Amino acid sequence: DAMVIQNPRYQVTQFGKPVTLSCSQTLNHNVMYWYQQKSSQAPKLLFHYYDKDFNNEADTPDNFQSRRPNTSFCFLDIRSPGLGDAAMYLCATSRDLRIFRQGRGNEQFFGPGTRLTVL
Amino acid sequence: AQTVTQSQPEMSVQEAETVTLSCTYDTSENNYYLFWYKQPPSRQMILVIRQEAYKQQNATENRFSVNFQKAAKSFSLKISDSQLGDTAMYFCAFMKLNTGNQFYFGTGTSLTVIP
Repeated sequence: DAMVIQNPRYQVTQFGKPVTLSCSQTLNHNVMYWYQQKSSQAPKLLFHYYDKDFNNEADTPDNFQSRRPNTSFCFLDIRSPGLGDAAMYLCATSRDLRIFRQGRGNEQFFGPGTRLTVL
Repeated sequence: AQTVTQSQPEMSVQEAETVTLSCTYDTSENNYYLFWYKQPPSRQMILVIRQEAYKQQNATENRFSVNFQKAAKSFSLKISDSQLGDTAMYFCAFMKLNTGNQFYFGTGTSLTVIP
């Protein structure tokens, strides 16, 4: 089945130690997103890629970076994790809206998430 | 800017009963999409139902239906014949029609179905 895969599901890192979370998709969607979700809160969009075009949210800290080497993979790099960065990180994908403007298929498909613990 | 408000942080319903989750939003856009997503405990977020703003007819997916009131900017979710598997966090989401399909989520409603 086509899907969004996130590895690892659980990641433990130390304060200040760089960490990378990965996301892959078999849906061939051209848009990929990274969200941060803290306990009992709504997902907060960090950034998204439209094809190779990177779009950062205005309030995303510089500590968070992303890479998308190809259509299938997208990485979230946290350069110096702080205790406040402990959260669930969700990856999502969607199709190009211009093609499916008035039809189905413009929803976002989510991966299972990576729960990050910062010690 | 778009804002999405879910005023019920927690709700409960007896199994087989009907429950309605509320959602309001604020936007100056005329054309957009609205979604309800379900996030079960420790499981991934999945789409429940969607509504295109240009459609007046309320969307329905099996036991799930919406009451979309565009003028009032209201988008409530009704779950009929509630089942134990419906226990989850429910998020209302607004999507602008622009490049990138950016979503704006509400703060969520935690629904518990009681046996």
